[in-house]
Amino acid sequence: EVQLVESGGGLVKPGGSLRLSCAASGFTFSNAWMTWVRQAPGKGLEWVGLIKSKTDGGTTDYAAPVKGRFTISRDDSKNTLYLQMNSLRSEDTGVYYCTSAPDSLYWGQGTLVTVSS
Amino acid sequence: EIVLTQSPATLSLSPGERATLSCRASQSVSSYLAWYQQKPGQVPRLLIYDASTRATGIPARFSGSGSGTDFTLTISNLEPEDFAVYYCQQRGIWPPITFGQGTRLEIK
Repeated sequence: EVQLVESGGGLVKPGGSLRLSCAASGFTFSNAWMTWVRQAPGKGLEWVGLIKSKTDGGTTDYAAPVKGRFTISRDDSKNTLYLQMNSLRSEDTGVYYCTSAPDSLYWGQGTLVTVSS
Repeated sequence: EIVLTQSPATLSLSPGERATLSCRASQSVSSYLAWYQQKPGQVPRLLIYDASTRATGIPARFSGSGSGTDFTLTISNLEPEDFAVYYCQQRGIWPPITFGQGTRLEIK
């Protein structure tokens, strides 16, 4: 059974940093492209970024609102995906999901990030 | 950036009726269009990918069609559990991958 389990969310002040993790199991993580998708309270889905598998170059792409502030990385030895979020703003508040890519067949349960003073 | 416009914003129908949801792309995305269902408090679920292929375990009453810029999700014979928010998503021209703003399907 495929499982994606996010962790690391919480309350952070504007300008602060947070690192989210996503532990994967039930599939060959090292071969998978992975994405982060977020959802602000009461709003729609927003793509945050993607990381390819190392065999496909391991490159990353980001949505414009987070480019330069967020970094996606992966540790295939730990089957874990990361999202490092710096210079956080109030508009970054929301639930963050890790998903398989490019079509998001598998989703984690999400982790809530709240940016507030 | 490809903009996806979903219509209508809200669709009110009764169980047993047929729902037709639209997603229009600002440029051609070929057939790289997916549909997701999200119920309140739940994680989104992939229904359709590549415009018309049902994901594993998705009932046959869900069907997708279209290519280029105009896409449709049809739900025939609505069941009570189908009332939810539906999003389209494109990966035909990326980055960025983009989502539509959603269509809320509510019980009439």
